[in-house]
Amino acid sequence: AQKITQTQPGMFVQEKEAVTLDCTYDTSDPSYGLFWYKQPSSGEMIFLIYQGSYDQQNATEGRYSLNFQKARKSANLVISASQLGDSAMYFCAMRETLNNAGNMLTFGGGTRLMVKP
Amino acid sequence: SQTIHQWPATLVQPVGSPLSLECTVEGTSNPNLYWYRQAAGRGLQLLFYSVGIGQISSEVPQNLSASRPQDRQFILSSKKLLLSDSGFYLCAWSPGGGRADTQYFGPGTRLTVL
Repeated sequence: AQKITQTQPGMFVQEKEAVTLDCTYDTSDPSYGLFWYKQPSSGEMIFLIYQGSYDQQNATEGRYSLNFQKARKSANLVISASQLGDSAMYFCAMRETLNNAGNMLTFGGGTRLMVKP
Repeated sequence: SQTIHQWPATLVQPVGSPLSLECTVEGTSNPNLYWYRQAAGRGLQLLFYSVGIGQISSEVPQNLSASRPQDRQFILSSKKLLLSDSGFYLCAWSPGGGRADTQYFGPGTRLTVL
């Protein structure tokens, strides 16, 4: 069974500063994928960034980067130059392959990020 | 580009009433489709997934059922709602055929059972 742990229920960051959101995972599958999603108050889950277990380099997407440390089983999200619009819930998730070629995402409990002006 | 729609956006239903939530995807063929539920302040839990028309798999035993009558349509139903069915329901899609990666979510339906 897979497990995703986000140990920070809530975090504050000053506008324009960088922030790191923690995520650790546990899996026995040698091939897996890690995702981060943003959920603003509207409720929609917005895909931010993806890291494959065999990717050699850390994933980056604009102001988002994923600090992937495979040996430590961590996949922390780094947001640079925080903006007020970054205030939201952030979920780490891991892909698990299902029997008939579909896949499911196992989600962590989330971290609420609040950006202070 | 692909888009995913869900309706209704919000719903208030009495206990024991039926339920039908609809999800449709545009701009892609043969997607994998998923229904998730999110309790207040929690992460998402997978309820059902489908890799093709008429193919439904359930991850959690419950009061709900799902159907896929068309390639890009996914329906979540219940014959009699329970209080515990309240929550935020999200539909998602991913490319079909193999180890697809990213799942993309719809705007969600907020269900309150009274």
